[in-house]
Amino acid sequence: AQSVAQPEDQVNVAEGNPLTVKCTYSVSGNPYLFWYVQYPNRGLQFLLKYITGDNLVKGSYGFEAEFNKSQTSFHLKKPSALVSDSALYFCAVRDMEYGNKLVFGAGTILRVKS
Amino acid sequence: GAGVSQTPSNKVTEKGKYVELRCDPISGHTALYWYRQSLGQGPEFLIYFQGTGAADDSGLPNDRFFAVRPEGSVSTLKIQRTERGDSAVYLCASSAGLEIDTQYFGPGTRLTVL
Repeated sequence: AQSVAQPEDQVNVAEGNPLTVKCTYSVSGNPYLFWYVQYPNRGLQFLLKYITGDNLVKGSYGFEAEFNKSQTSFHLKKPSALVSDSALYFCAVRDMEYGNKLVFGAGTILRVKS
Repeated sequence: GAGVSQTPSNKVTEKGKYVELRCDPISGHTALYWYRQSLGQGPEFLIYFQGTGAADDSGLPNDRFFAVRPEGSVSTLKIQRTERGDSAVYLCASSAGLEIDTQYFGPGTRLTVL
């Protein structure tokens, strides 16, 4: 079965510093990987995805993610954090065995302090 | 353009009652998904429609849960004999076309079963 793990419940970073939110995956075959962000009382917003191609994927709001096949990781990064980046972040993988459903991690709370 | 919309935004019901949750996907999106998000967890897949038919309903927890999409657009998730454990945020997403892999989520319906 496809799965993702987000090893950190919470990440704290100072505004202006680089941020990393970690995600590792377990899949059979080539992974389709996604990052979503959720603000309080809002739905999930798509940030970026990796399907194939360059290992560094650029997405919305200045976020990027690095796909690393040898480490089975897909960490979310941003060079300079903003207070407004504070939210709940989810990593997800497409379940290739059963159509198009997404399997999500438990989420990581990102807190950016000014 | 308009995103995915869900109604109601909040639903409070009593144990044993029947509820219907509605999802309006992005216009033209052929694929529609329902997920359930319990407090402190990532979304969990319930059911996936391609057009009018349920392509994958493997995530429905039991036969109290049912979903329809009769005209290939709006979908309704129906829960019979609600239980307190059904309390969660129910999220709907849609996708289509060249970006079939990217699911766009609605704001969710918060269901509380008393």
